[in-house]
Amino acid sequence: QSVLTQPPSASGTPGQRVTISCSGSSSNIGSNTVNWYQLLPGTAPKLLIYTNNQRPSGVPDRFSGSKSGTSASLAISGLQSEDEADYYCAAWDDRLNGVVFGGGTKLTVL
Amino acid sequence: QVQLVESGGGLVKPGGSLRLSCEASGFTFSDYYLSWIRLAPRKGLEWISYITSSSYTEYADSVKGRFTSSRDNAKNSLYLQMNSLRDEDTGIYYCARHMITSRAADYWGPGTLVTVSS
Repeated sequence: QSVLTQPPSASGTPGQRVTISCSGSSSNIGSNTVNWYQLLPGTAPKLLIYTNNQRPSGVPDRFSGSKSGTSASLAISGLQSEDEADYYCAAWDDRLNGVVFGGGTKLTVL
Repeated sequence: QVQLVESGGGLVKPGGSLRLSCEASGFTFSDYYLSWIRLAPRKGLEWISYITSSSYTEYADSVKGRFTSSRDNAKNSLYLQMNSLRDEDTGIYYCARHMITSRAADYWGPGTLVTVSS
């Protein structure tokens, strides 16, 4: 039972646009920025989006993030087979005084 | 280039102890906050602890009182002392560096596997 709520799965076909939601509360997303991580099998997590909508160097602009109130979302456009991975949202929680993660969303490219 | 490499994982019985290490290179270690984060089977990512440049620490409730994080800036190393281990502590343990301007973890090590089982 993660503090942030994500759908357990999402899917799309190559070229399609998919979005993954992340819902929190006033103590985390509502008052702090959101980060997104990509976890490919057998590899370390990779930072995909930071501070709600910023992309680290090297992350394609097909990936975008947004935040509104106590919710955030990750959008992937022009879906590619190599995007098949687990995606996690994360934010600082002022009440718990630590980082909280979503439960992760497994993205399948059909 | 920035590198983080964890070590010290292994198989331990419930109630036992382990000490994980994370050796860093490619950046000014003392300038950065660091975290331990684990990936448990069928449970996803879970933040364990973070430590500031001056060694102030915070812990997740699930490990508070059992785990202790420390750092040695002279050795560019981060440590996690894990005591009173439980089955649910099983997972891959990553050390991660936080960006100076954000709480995002921008670099992660490859992880070290901890298995708690009798």
